[in-house]
Amino acid sequence: EAGVAQSPRYKIIEKRQSVAFWCNPISGHATLYWYQQILGQGPKLLIQFQNNGVVDDSQLPKDRFSAERLKGVDSTLKIQPAKLEDSAVYLCASSLPNYEQYFGPGTRLTVT
Amino acid sequence: KQEVTQIPAALSVPEGENLVLNCSFTDSAIYNLQWFRQDPGKGLTSLLLIQSSQREQTSGRLNASLDKSSGRSTLYIAASQPGDSATYLCAVRDDYKLSFGAGTTVTVRA
Repeated sequence: EAGVAQSPRYKIIEKRQSVAFWCNPISGHATLYWYQQILGQGPKLLIQFQNNGVVDDSQLPKDRFSAERLKGVDSTLKIQPAKLEDSAVYLCASSLPNYEQYFGPGTRLTVT
Repeated sequence: KQEVTQIPAALSVPEGENLVLNCSFTDSAIYNLQWFRQDPGKGLTSLLLIQSSQREQTSGRLNASLDKSSGRSTLYIAASQPGDSATYLCAVRDDYKLSFGAGTTVTVRA
């Protein structure tokens, strides 16, 4: 069974630029999550989708972050404009509803 | 709001020693607790998942216990090996959301 795929693996941008991350979940997983993991901290949930509807985006900084999940499969997370404090690893995970989450390898973002 | 704490933040042991990693959480109304392993630059790999009705879960050299009433879980790794060097995170699920601790970074010295 293929795992959760993410791209790119690494991205370096300057502050005020925009960036987008892509996630392809495990086939059949209706629930998709985006997490932000700052160095030395545990992952923090940014947004959770059930199919293509948003379940929770309470910790998503909506003035600069946006996410969508078209057709209930792939998802993109965008940051515009980026700030220095957005430097982190962005993890995507997927699951069957209310079941164990499986994580992708993450995208490491550096904002200079 | 659920708060998850892992102490210590880092641990170094000689090969062969047993590892004991601690996790505490503030709200005992959880569905389950999960232990993850994270290697540098990698995503999270699930090690063990304990349902709220269970007291422990075992997989090979790993054993995790859960005491929901006191808000604690412990991960035991028997006979540690250099390949066990990684960061170990615990996460508790309440309602639909996972709340993570900051992790314990383990170094096993050969």
